[in-house]
Amino acid sequence: GQNIDQPTEMTATEGAIVQINCTYQTSGFNGLFWYQQHAGEAPTFLSYNVLDGLEEKGRFSSFLSRSKGYSYLLLKELQMKDSASYLCAVLDSNYQLIWGAGTKLIIKP
Amino acid sequence: ETGVTQTPRHLVMGMTNKKSLKCEQHLGHNAMYWYKQSAKKPLELMFVYNFKEQTENNSVPSRFSPECPNSSHLFLHLHTLQPEDSALYLCASSRGENNEQFFGPGTRLTVL
Repeated sequence: GQNIDQPTEMTATEGAIVQINCTYQTSGFNGLFWYQQHAGEAPTFLSYNVLDGLEEKGRFSSFLSRSKGYSYLLLKELQMKDSASYLCAVLDSNYQLIWGAGTKLIIKP
Repeated sequence: ETGVTQTPRHLVMGMTNKKSLKCEQHLGHNAMYWYKQSAKKPLELMFVYNFKEQTENNSVPSRFSPECPNSSHLFLHLHTLQPEDSALYLCASSRGENNEQFFGPGTRLTVL
């Protein structure tokens, strides 16, 4: 079966750095997405990786290793507004998005 | 504001009611999706439409019936739902099936 694993919840301090991991087992791979979802709101797109390596976008970076079935989202200089759920999703061989359950990130002052 | 709107935002219905959820996208996208989001569970893809044609139906019960009259509008018709159908129903659109998806704000559905 297809499976996406990510931690259920993480806590970090304002101003610090946090890494949210995602491992996947899917039938084929056509890219990995990270989305951010604030409570009561719609998910919003953060990043897309299809090749191995690190993609940096401001305070957020996303890393992919296809051979290990592994990705992480790195958030630097954490702000209180970064408190949200972070969803990892993989596009499989049928171009269907397989979603993880999300990681709830709590930022403390 | 993502360019995808959904109405209503909240809906409470009895098990014998019939209601419809509406989604509209103003992005010129060709693919539209219905998702179900329950607490602490992954997003569940329900239906996919690409160029108004249904391309995915992930074993969704027949009490959920989608309709896509054109590439900008998507409906989800609901009838004789069960309490376990209570969830957040999200609509999304994308340029193609392999592009990033833009989500609407969702409809919070409660079935009594």
